[in-house]
Amino acid sequence: GDSVTQMEGPVTLSEEAFLTINCTYTATGYPSLFWYVQYPGEGLQLLLKATKADDKGSNKGFEATYRKETTSFHLEKGSVQVSDSAVYFCALSDRVNTGKLIFGQGTTLQVKP
Amino acid sequence: EPEVTQTPSHQVTQMGQEVILHCVPISNHLYFYWYRQILGQKVEFLVSFYNNEISEKSEIFDDQFSVERPDGSNFTLKIRSTKLEDSAMYFCAISAGTSGRYDEQFFGPGTRLTVL
Repeated sequence: GDSVTQMEGPVTLSEEAFLTINCTYTATGYPSLFWYVQYPGEGLQLLLKATKADDKGSNKGFEATYRKETTSFHLEKGSVQVSDSAVYFCALSDRVNTGKLIFGQGTTLQVKP
Repeated sequence: EPEVTQTPSHQVTQMGQEVILHCVPISNHLYFYWYRQILGQKVEFLVSFYNNEISEKSEIFDDQFSVERPDGSNFTLKIRSTKLEDSAMYFCAISAGTSGRYDEQFFGPGTRLTVL
């Protein structure tokens, strides 16, 4: 079945450092890809998305490009802030049935001042 | 972004008891979902609901679970006889509102269920 794999965490960075969180997927069809963020004690917020190959999703300085050839959707940010500390989930939606989301295991990011 | 509220925020129950978790989307959407997140683990799909019936469910969603939309707005998840392993955060999500995009889901803040 479809699945999502994320890099192991936690990731600890200093403020203004460059961030990459790796995400790869396995899917039989042509999924939409998402990054969700979960701040401490809160629910999931949609951070960005891409719906077809070579699309780039972006929001709040974060970017991710849908790479069909490498089945990847890595999250990047050029300069992280302390407020970016959260758990980041990569997810796919198969778009065939009901669009249910399949999540990766999540990557905890801690940014130190 | 559409608003989704969930009640209660935290539910503590004894093993074997029934619980009902509530989700109220503050706008008209077509698809409703329940997910759960056991502490420290990934978010897992439970069930999707469309046009007043279940459209897809996972293997987790066994006979102990049920969903309904009794009054056209409130969307509930019932666990008939809770087990210790049901302790988790339960998230409601919605999609396919005015945008028509059913693959863009918006989540509620979650209900933390603790089974003792």
